[in-house]
Amino acid sequence: DADVTQTPRNRITKTGKRIMLECSQTKGHDRMYWYRQDPGLGLRLIYYSFDVKDINKGEISDGYSVSRQAQAKFSLSLESAIPNQTALYFCATSDTRTGAETQYFGPGTRLLVL
Amino acid sequence: EDQVTQSPEALRLQEGESSSLNCSYTVSGLRGLFWYRQDPGKGPEFLFTLYSAGEEKEKERLKATLTKKESFLHITAPKPEDSATYLCAVKPTSGTYKYIFGTGTRLKVLA
Repeated sequence: DADVTQTPRNRITKTGKRIMLECSQTKGHDRMYWYRQDPGLGLRLIYYSFDVKDINKGEISDGYSVSRQAQAKFSLSLESAIPNQTALYFCATSDTRTGAETQYFGPGTRLLVL
Repeated sequence: EDQVTQSPEALRLQEGESSSLNCSYTVSGLRGLFWYRQDPGKGPEFLFTLYSAGEEKEKERLKATLTKKESFLHITAPKPEDSATYLCAVKPTSGTYKYIFGTGTRLKVLA
């Protein structure tokens, strides 16, 4: 089984709809992250969480919110989806107990906002 | 300013033709440098973590090396299945959450 899972894998929605992307991990890592990836722009950080009670905005958090329901679960919500939120979304985890804090990524969610 | 630059942007190789991908970085202090492989529409797959200059790591046809200013991903005798985008990222010692990603090198290996 994959260590970091994301649901759904693909989603088509309409402008103005609220949607939630979910991430679960079995790696036992304390830190979790949400990124979006757009062609030519690379990976950009939306939100990150150091533990259940510590959630922080990344570089592009406008229009997004998150919830860390448990150490293993981190959800990303688009409150009112707009077409320029069409992108690939990735969840990642890291462990502060390791030297370099390598990040491990989920398989991604492809989101299309019409 | 912390920065990561990967070159070339794209590379086409014949099967068996060895080459190297470059990742140049500028950070005040390096906690770790990471290499990932990414297939189209999929999540980055972890390959290597390098911690300090002079370090080398190998996995099958891939070998990653690190100096104080850059890292190389050497691909020896590549096969078509090595075709992917290879991403480099660094974690500075300053900033508890920050990872800086390059935009990747798209590798195509022709049979």
